[in-house]
Order: sequence, then C-alpha cells, then structure tokens
Amino acid sequence: EAGVVQSPRYKIIEKKQPVAFWCNPISGHNTLYWYLQNLGQGPELLIRYENEEAVDDSQLPKDRFSAERLKGVDSTLKIQPAELGDSAVYLCASSLSGSTRGLIGEQFFGPGTRLTVL
Amino acid sequence: AQSVTQLGSHVSVSEGALVLLRCNYSSSVPPYLFWYVQYPNQGLQLLLKYTSAATLVKGINGFEAEFKKSETSFHLTKPSAHMSDAAEYFCAVSDLDQGGSEKLVFGKGTKLTVNP
Repeated sequence: EAGVVQSPRYKIIEKKQPVAFWCNPISGHNTLYWYLQNLGQGPELLIRYENEEAVDDSQLPKDRFSAERLKGVDSTLKIQPAELGDSAVYLCASSLSGSTRGLIGEQFFGPGTRLTVL
Repeated sequence: AQSVTQLGSHVSVSEGALVLLRCNYSSSVPPYLFWYVQYPNQGLQLLLKYTSAATLVKGINGFEAEFKKSETSFHLTKPSAHMSDAAEYFCAVSDLDQGGSEKLVFGKGTKLTVNP
C-alpha cells in the first residue's frame, strides 16, 4: 500500500514569491491534515479536512496561506507571498476519518516538503 | 488546552544501553498520549499510544511507555539501544480541534543519538 505522497520534497524560493505544496493521501482516507514543523519543534496543525471540507483551519495564517482539497482526495497548500519565517517543513498526514477519542493515533504522515525562503 | 513537555532536546546513549526519553503532560481531562518517531527526511511514524487501558504500553521496535498519573508522565523506554534507533522522538497528547474532533499536540522532540 502506498503511503502519503508529498511533492516537492525540497523547495528553495526567494521571499515574496509564491509556493505550493501537493499531497496525495492514502487511498480511502477521508481525513487530511497539513502540519507545520519548524526546526527543533514538533509539528503544529495548520488545517484539517474531512473529505473536501476544511473543518479546522483556525491555525492557518489566512492572509498568506491557503489550502484546497477540491475532490476530497489530494490537496494543495499555498503560500503567497512567502516570508523568511515560513522556512520550515510542511507535513501532510491522512487518516481514515476524523476521530473519536482515542483513535487519533492512526495518522499516517508523508515525508514532508522542506521549504527554504531566502 | 493540553500540552506536553519533553525533557532534554538531545539524548545520547551507547549501543546496548537503556534508552529513556522523558515526557510530561498537562491535561484537564484523562489524557490520550502518543509517541512518534521521525527518521531523517521521513515523516512521523506511530510508536505506541495510551488510551486509558493498560498503563504499560508496548509499541513497535521494542519500545514501551508507562503512564503514571501521579507524576503526569509518559516516559518512553527501551532496554537495549540499537544503532537503528537513532532518530527524533515526539511525545503528543490529544486535544480537541475547532471541528470537535481530536488533534495531536506535539512536544518539541528529543533527538536520540546511539554511539557504537
């Protein structure tokens, strides 16, 4: 079974440029997560989708970040314009469904996209 | 809000020695707790989880963790370290997100180095 696929794996851009990350979750997984992982920190949830609906985007900086999951399968996270502080690893994860208590551990993570903003 | 604190950002052990990675949690409700491992340039992988059943939880790769309510701790251990255990380990606690479902709140991670 293929895991969560993310691309690109690495991206280097100059500040003020736009950038987009793509994620393809495990087949059949209805729930998709985007996490931000800063250097030396644990991942922090940016947005969670149930199918095509964003059910929690409270941590997404909406002035420059946007995300979509149009057909409830793969997803794109965009930053426009990028700032120096956006340099981080962006992780995508998926699970079968939004969880009741105790089932949340079954999230499967992709390898991440490492973004460097110069 | 729930939170976790991982004591020690770096831990170094010799191959064959005991591994002990510390995690303390703060939770207003009975917590659900998790340990994840992240190998270089890879995503996170679930090692084990505590969901209010047995307080001693066994996970993959010979790791286990013990939930101690009195100490608000969930430390990760392995009796004998292997070179392949070198990675970063994250403790996490469950919390509710805006949509009313659970989300993971991670600690800052502990990088484990295993010396030959």
